[in-house]
Amino acid sequence: AQRVTQPEKLLSVFKGAPVELKCNYSYSGSPELFWYVQYSRQRLQLLLRHISRESIKGFTADLNKGETSFHLKKPFAQEEDSAMYYCALSPSGGYNKLIFGAGTRLAVHP
Amino acid sequence: DAGVIQSPRHEVTEMGQEVTLRCKPISGHDYLFWYRQTMMRGLELLIYFNNNVPIDDSGMPEDRFSAKMPNASFSTLKIQPSEPRDSAVYFCASKTQGYGEQFFGPGTRLTVL
Repeated sequence: AQRVTQPEKLLSVFKGAPVELKCNYSYSGSPELFWYVQYSRQRLQLLLRHISRESIKGFTADLNKGETSFHLKKPFAQEEDSAMYYCALSPSGGYNKLIFGAGTRLAVHP
Repeated sequence: DAGVIQSPRHEVTEMGQEVTLRCKPISGHDYLFWYRQTMMRGLELLIYFNNNVPIDDSGMPEDRFSAKMPNASFSTLKIQPSEPRDSAVYFCASKTQGYGEQFFGPGTRLTVL
């Protein structure tokens, strides 16, 4: 079965602390993986995709096929990073059907 | 561009009533998606269209739910009759062909009493 698991509903850190939002997936093929973010009163938007191998707003995510994980990391959290983060998997080409995890709320305290 | 437009933004109705949610995708986008977000189940894909044709409706929960896309600039999601367990935020998203990003609308918060 295709599934995305985000084990933490809430992650609370202080400004300047490292952040790791966990994401594990279940998929038999070669997955396309994404992180989406929803800031307060804003729309859900794409943060990064694994195929791009880029850093966005200081965040990076590495696909680990052995551990079937795609954790989102940032070395130094900022207050403006506070948001809801969703990990998503596309089981087919074209990024059409997206399977989302339940989401993790990141709260960064001053 | 105003992005994906959804209406209404909030809907409160009573059990048994028909509910219609509306979506206008970004002009030029070929794909349109309907999602439902609940605390229990997170964000679930209900159905998606390509060039106005439904491609995958396996996420539609039951026959009470139906979706249409009569033209490239408009789609509806209808619930008839509505039930309290349908209370959720419903999102519409659109994208272009290929490996493009999905752009989400602001969502419609539905409350069924």
